[in-house]
Amino acid sequence: DGGITQSPKYLFRKEGQNVTLSCEQNLNHDAMYWYRQDPGQGLRLIYYSQIVNDFQKGDIAEGYSVSREKKESFPLTVTSAQKNPTAFYLCASSIDPGLYNEQFFGPGTRLTVL
Amino acid sequence: DQQVKQNSPSLSVQEGRISILNCDYTNSMFDYFLWYKKYPAEGPTFLISISSIKDKNEDGRFTVFLNKSAKHLSLHIVPSQPGDSAVYFCPTVSGNTPLVFGKGTRLSVIA
Repeated sequence: DGGITQSPKYLFRKEGQNVTLSCEQNLNHDAMYWYRQDPGQGLRLIYYSQIVNDFQKGDIAEGYSVSREKKESFPLTVTSAQKNPTAFYLCASSIDPGLYNEQFFGPGTRLTVL
Repeated sequence: DQQVKQNSPSLSVQEGRISILNCDYTNSMFDYFLWYKKYPAEGPTFLISISSIKDKNEDGRFTVFLNKSAKHLSLHIVPSQPGDSAVYFCPTVSGNTPLVFGKGTRLSVIA
């Protein structure tokens, strides 16, 4: 069964702690993406990676970090520098970063910082 | 600068009637236009797309219209069903850059 998995579904952390959100895909997709959704804000791009060992900042990268050591994995770390980390985080992937870039999304992780 | 605008944050339609969701875009260089549907606390799912060289694409109850001169995109759902109640996004594709999402339109189909 191919798809994108994000774990956990719900995550709680204390203010000032770093937290890493998991994203794994078995679709053999080259490109992977992280988005953040806040109420009334739509989806905003945090980071994306078009190939292993390479990634680019999106529109709201401050306070976040990523790695892409394996094709199937693109973890996102929310650092203590992120001012408003509580949000719904979505991971996505696409076959390649080419012309027709339909993205497939995971189920999301809701992060709540207490 | 927001490249995609969905000017109606919400829309309510009666079951069985037509739902029309609209998007306006600013960049003429987009190659494809996509529509995604999103339920609360879930990831968006792809619905339908249209190439910039076409002006209409139809898939069952869903039809997307592209008016290039007006830089306007619309999604028609007919007949609307309660299960269509969701937030709809119209991200655009340009070259090998990530999708650009707007704020979405929340559709409520009332039984």
